Amino acid sequence: GQNIDQPTEMTATEGAIVQINCTYQTSGFNGLFWYQQHAGEAPTFLSYNVLDGLEEKGRFSSFLSRSKGYSYLLLKELQMKDSASYLCAVRVYSGNTPLVFGKGTRLSVIA
Amino acid sequence: EAQVTQNPRYLITVTGKKLTVTCSQNMNHEYMSWYRQDPGLGLRQIYYSMNVEVTDKGDVPEGYKVSRKEKRNFPLILESPSPNQTSLYFCASSFVAGAETQYFGPGTRLLVL
Repeated sequence: GQNIDQPTEMTATEGAIVQINCTYQTSGFNGLFWYQQHAGEAPTFLSYNVLDGLEEKGRFSSFLSRSKGYSYLLLKELQMKDSASYLCAVRVYSGNTPLVFGKGTRLSVIA
Repeated sequence: EAQVTQNPRYLITVTGKKLTVTCSQNMNHEYMSWYRQDPGLGLRQIYYSMNVEVTDKGDVPEGYKVSRKEKRNFPLILESPSPNQTSLYFCASSFVAGAETQYFGPGTRLLVL
């Protein structure tokens, strides 16, 4: 089966930096996605990695190491509005195939 | 405005009473999908559709049906709902299944008594 692991919960302070890790063991790999989901709302797309390395988008960055089956999402200059769940998802096969989601990491930003 | 809409947003029903949750997208996307989200289990895919008249089972299809008669609509049908189908349901669409960005609807919170 496909397995995607993330920490269940994390807490960080406003203005700080937080790293949310994701490890995956899947039968194939064709890209990794990060989504943000505020409580009771729909997930929204944050980032996509298919090659090793760091992708930066403003305060958010995402890193991928395919050999280690590992990714992280880095959030800088944390704001209270960043309190949300962060979902890691893997596209296992190439072409028109669905994503497999991890269970999500609930991040609480405190003052 | 590009969007995915779902109706109803909230629904309370009783065991065995057939219901349909509608999903519509205005982006001419080929790929559409239904997920359910439960505490501690994350997002799990119920059914997906690659294009009109092409549907396939996801990870948790039991107790659900779908149809894709038109490109824009992808309704989720619960023929005989049971309490274990109480959940938060999301419809999603993308240009193709492997597209970088998948757009999610606002969600439908269903309670089956």
